[in-house]
Amino acid sequence: DSGVTQTPKHLITATGQRVTLRCSPRSGDLSVYWYQQSLDQGLQFLIQYYNGEERAKGNILERFSAQQFPDLHSELNLSSLELGDSALYFCASSALAGGHNEQFFGPGTRLTVL
Amino acid sequence: GEDVEQSLFLSVREGDSSVINCTYTDSSSTYLYWYKQEPGAGLQLLTYIFSNMDMKQDQRLTVLLNKKDKHLSLRIADTQTGDSAIYFCAESISTGTASKLTFGTGTRLQVTL
Repeated sequence: DSGVTQTPKHLITATGQRVTLRCSPRSGDLSVYWYQQSLDQGLQFLIQYYNGEERAKGNILERFSAQQFPDLHSELNLSSLELGDSALYFCASSALAGGHNEQFFGPGTRLTVL
Repeated sequence: GEDVEQSLFLSVREGDSSVINCTYTDSSSTYLYWYKQEPGAGLQLLTYIFSNMDMKQDQRLTVLLNKKDKHLSLRIADTQTGDSAIYFCAESISTGTASKLTFGTGTRLQVTL
């Protein structure tokens, strides 16, 4: 158990809908990362937040947005969902924002778009 | 640019050594990591190496880094059935205030009896 929690574990929804994925980092970690794992794209970095502030952005679609709240939990919002958004979404956390900082991964949320 | 490549599949017999290879393209990578993903689970960090090191050993795991060829390998000694999983190498592009991991495609390790 990494100490990172993600809810829900599974999510099934329809095209065009909007969903929110939630992540609670390990106790004491200030940085939260979101990754998407799909069969065709592999494991891709989406976005990083540190203490409520966006710090790095990867291949995140405009339909996706994220935020980190004062209690350090984070939410990833996915809107206007398409079939291709079906994937495993991982959240990770680390103590620091940069440098060598071990990222601890949550168990993931499996999103299925029908 | 950032691109990390791995072979897709490796099969070894229990008790043998496994060697999983990875090549990366971004010479500014400062840290390189190996993660393990078991079915239905998240990623577990196995080990890492700084880019100024050539080798790191951690119990059954040995990481070798060839910076000139941008080649990274993970050797697992005395491979066990519990080592069956997907192994990802990842490079970290990091500043003092931000970081992100770029993952390889993953190598599925199958351990046979």
